[in-house]
Amino acid sequence: AQSVTQLDSQVPVFEEAPVELRCNYSSSVSVYLFWYVQYPNQGLQLLLKYLSGSTLVESINGFEAEFNKSQTSFHLRKPSVHISDTAEYFCAVSDRRTSYDKVIFGPGTSLSVIP
Amino acid sequence: GAGVSQSPSNKVTEKGKDVELRCDPISGHTALYWYRQRLGQGLEFLIYFQGNSAPDKSGLPSDRFSAERTGESVSTLTIQRTQQEDSAVYLCASSLGLAGGSTEQFFGPGTRLTVL
Repeated sequence: AQSVTQLDSQVPVFEEAPVELRCNYSSSVSVYLFWYVQYPNQGLQLLLKYLSGSTLVESINGFEAEFNKSQTSFHLRKPSVHISDTAEYFCAVSDRRTSYDKVIFGPGTSLSVIP
Repeated sequence: GAGVSQSPSNKVTEKGKDVELRCDPISGHTALYWYRQRLGQGLEFLIYFQGNSAPDKSGLPSDRFSAERTGESVSTLTIQRTQQEDSAVYLCASSLGLAGGSTEQFFGPGTRLTVL
């Protein structure tokens, strides 16, 4: 069965500093990978996804994530964070082999940006 | 609106009562999911519906939990004889659910269930 590990439950970082949120998954097969974000008092929304092609994917608000097959990782990075990036971030994975669309979520990382 | 909607937004009930939560997915989305999110924790998968296929119920925590879906539209999650540990936000999501692929899930605002 798929599983997703997010090693850091909470990450405090100063405004304009870089940040990396770690995500590892357990799978020996091809996967799709996602990062979802949940801003305070809002619903979950997709931040970025890796389906195929380039292993580096970017979001519209400056985040990027790199798929590393050998390390089974999909870490999320941003070179300079803003106060508005404060949110809960969830890494998720689904199995390419399945004929349906089941996605497994990690436990989440709470990013707090300090002014 | 065109998003996923859930009702009620908040539900307070007494221990032992039954509750029914409703989810209206985005029109045309064949896949529908229910998750539970306890305070300060991640998403816990409950159940997955895909078109006319048998649902994946592997995440339901006990036989007090059940869910139904009418075709490719509305779904209801029912919790019988509620317990205090059932208190959580119940999230519904839908996606296009393309066979052999994986697409974005669109989440509803959730139902906050409090069991007294």
